[in-house]
Amino acid sequence: SSELTQPPSLSVSQGQSARITCSADTLANQYTYWYQQRPGQAPRLLIYKDSERPSGIPERFSGSSSGTTVTLTISGVEAEDEADYYCQSADNSGSSFVFGTGTTVTVL
Amino acid sequence: EVQLVESGGGLIQPGGSLRLSCEASGFSASDNYMSWVRQAPGKGLEWVSIIYSGGTTYDADSVKGRITISRDNSKNRLFLQINNLGTDDTAVYYCARGLPYGSGYGFDLWGPGTVVSVSS
Repeated sequence: SSELTQPPSLSVSQGQSARITCSADTLANQYTYWYQQRPGQAPRLLIYKDSERPSGIPERFSGSSSGTTVTLTISGVEAEDEADYYCQSADNSGSSFVFGTGTTVTVL
Repeated sequence: EVQLVESGGGLIQPGGSLRLSCEASGFSASDNYMSWVRQAPGKGLEWVSIIYSGGTTYDADSVKGRITISRDNSKNRLFLQINNLGTDDTAVYYCARGLPYGSGYGFDLWGPGTVVSVSS
């Protein structure tokens, strides 16, 4: 799997929307997964298969895909959303996995 | 309670070996694919290795030849053996459970991690 490129950082005002992108040629035909990692904590799955949300994840988190770019959107950002966010993909045989470069979201 | 708990980390001299353990509870680890992911200090997540229910394993190119992932189904535990440790192996090592088959290749449960520090 090739490298997944994310913007290093993003600042957003509380209550506004944050959009985090993840890009790679391979994403055109591979699913993407999104994780949130708060300081000192383990990652938490937010989105799987581009746009599916696991149970227990707030509806303000959503995912979308268009060609070689996938996007995680946080609608109505809350203070607790301040964290690092990583995308992840795998080849279609599940033999190689890759994480994105990570995006630090700061809530103003 | 459904959880993963890693152990076995510590301070190791360069060239040494380490065996990390991950205890699963509340579910059968053998029914899922399981993986190790690491995170160097101040850096991003890096996938290390995976083992599928049938026993098939795959390793990241960065560690290939130096690591072995294994599983003890009777003890519901996952292991990672790392040999010839170098300073760039210093990281928090996470154990992660794969999504149910059919839900793709992601990880829906993570342990708190165990710290491996390689230094002389």
